[in-house]
Amino acid sequence: KAGVTQTPRYLIKTRGQQVTLSCSPISGHRSVSWYQQTPGQGLQFLFEYFSETQRNKGNFPGRFSGRQFSNSRSEMNVSTLELGDSALYLCASSADPGTAGNTIYFGEGSWLTVV
Amino acid sequence: SQQGEEDPQALSIQEGENATMNCSYKTSINNLQWYRQNSGRGLVHLILIRSNEREKHSGRLRVTLDTSKKSSSLLITASRAADTASYFCATDPMKTSYDKVIFGPGTSLSVIP
Repeated sequence: KAGVTQTPRYLIKTRGQQVTLSCSPISGHRSVSWYQQTPGQGLQFLFEYFSETQRNKGNFPGRFSGRQFSNSRSEMNVSTLELGDSALYLCASSADPGTAGNTIYFGEGSWLTVV
Repeated sequence: SQQGEEDPQALSIQEGENATMNCSYKTSINNLQWYRQNSGRGLVHLILIRSNEREKHSGRLRVTLDTSKKSSSLLITASRAADTASYFCATDPMKTSYDKVIFGPGTSLSVIP
């Protein structure tokens, strides 16, 4: 069974640009979550999608958005990039977020550097 | 605000020794999970313990959960150089308006050969 796949793995963007990151969950998983990881803030939850609907959202500005497609693949978008957006963006999938004891599986992440 | 807080922030031990990491959290949880992250990589799930469980084993890993103290510990026995990584606890709070699963800041473990 293929794991969670994230693309691209590495990218460099300029301040003010926008970026789209992609995530393919484990086959059969309908929940996809996104996290931002920085040395200063650690792992912070961005949002969670389940069956194409955003179920949970972290405390991030509106420049951060996401969506999920009918095949459970997800994208996240960051507009008007700032230097502080440089981070490792991690995608995670799980089978059923409503079930206690649900394990989430992470992709390798997308390294975003904003210059 | 962080739900989970790992302790210590950094730990350095010799190969063969045991490593113990602790995690404290603030609110009632459904379950608690431990993850490992090698530098610059994704997180790897290690073990999940439910709120009604007190101890769980997986290979060289032993996890305990004390819901009365709102704390958990991860013990890695007979450590190896390959265990060098950051370890995170993640809690699934019963009630939250934001994070579904909340990660602590992590413990950086260095195992010296």
